[in-house]
Amino acid sequence: EAGVTQSPTHLIKTRGQQATLRCSPISGHTSVYWYQQALGLGLQFLLWYDEGEERNRGNFPPRFSGRQFPNYSSELNVNALELEDSALYLCASSSGSGRFQETQYFGPGTRLLVL
Amino acid sequence: QKEVEQNSGPLSVPEGAIASLNCTYSDRVSQSFFWYRQYSGKSPELIMSIYSNGDKEDGRFTAQLNKASQYVSLLIRDSQPSDSATYLCAVTNQGGKLIFGQGTELSVKP
Repeated sequence: EAGVTQSPTHLIKTRGQQATLRCSPISGHTSVYWYQQALGLGLQFLLWYDEGEERNRGNFPPRFSGRQFPNYSSELNVNALELEDSALYLCASSSGSGRFQETQYFGPGTRLLVL
Repeated sequence: QKEVEQNSGPLSVPEGAIASLNCTYSDRVSQSFFWYRQYSGKSPELIMSIYSNGDKEDGRFTAQLNKASQYVSLLIRDSQPSDSATYLCAVTNQGGKLIFGQGTELSVKP
């Protein structure tokens, strides 16, 4: 069974540009989560999508946004990039509904570098 | 106070020893607890999940949960050099999000 996939693996942008990151969940999973892992800050929750809807959002500015498509894949958009947005962006998926016992499985991540 | 706290390490143990990793959390209504392992430059991979008080064993790994003390731990028996990684404790109660600790770096010396 294929795991969570993410693209691209690396992305280099300049300050002020927009970045688009993509994620495909494990087959059969309906929930997708996005996390940011910046150096020295640990893993921070960004967004949770389930059944096409945004269910929860972390403490990030509105320029971080996303969506989930009918096939449950997801896109994370970061507008007006700032230097501190440089980080590893991780996507995770679970079987759905955010029930507390659900396990989240992580993809390989997209490493974003903002120059 | 951080929501999830771990000893930052690095924790160094000799090969074959028991490695003990600890985690405390602040939200009493937390319901699910996870240990992930993250190798340098890689994404987190799940090792164990635990939901009720007590011990849960899986091979060389044992997770222990004490909700009264708001404490969860991971024991790694017969530690191997391949266990050298950063171990992340994560907690969730509702709303889908995992709250992670800063991670404990483990080094197993041959």
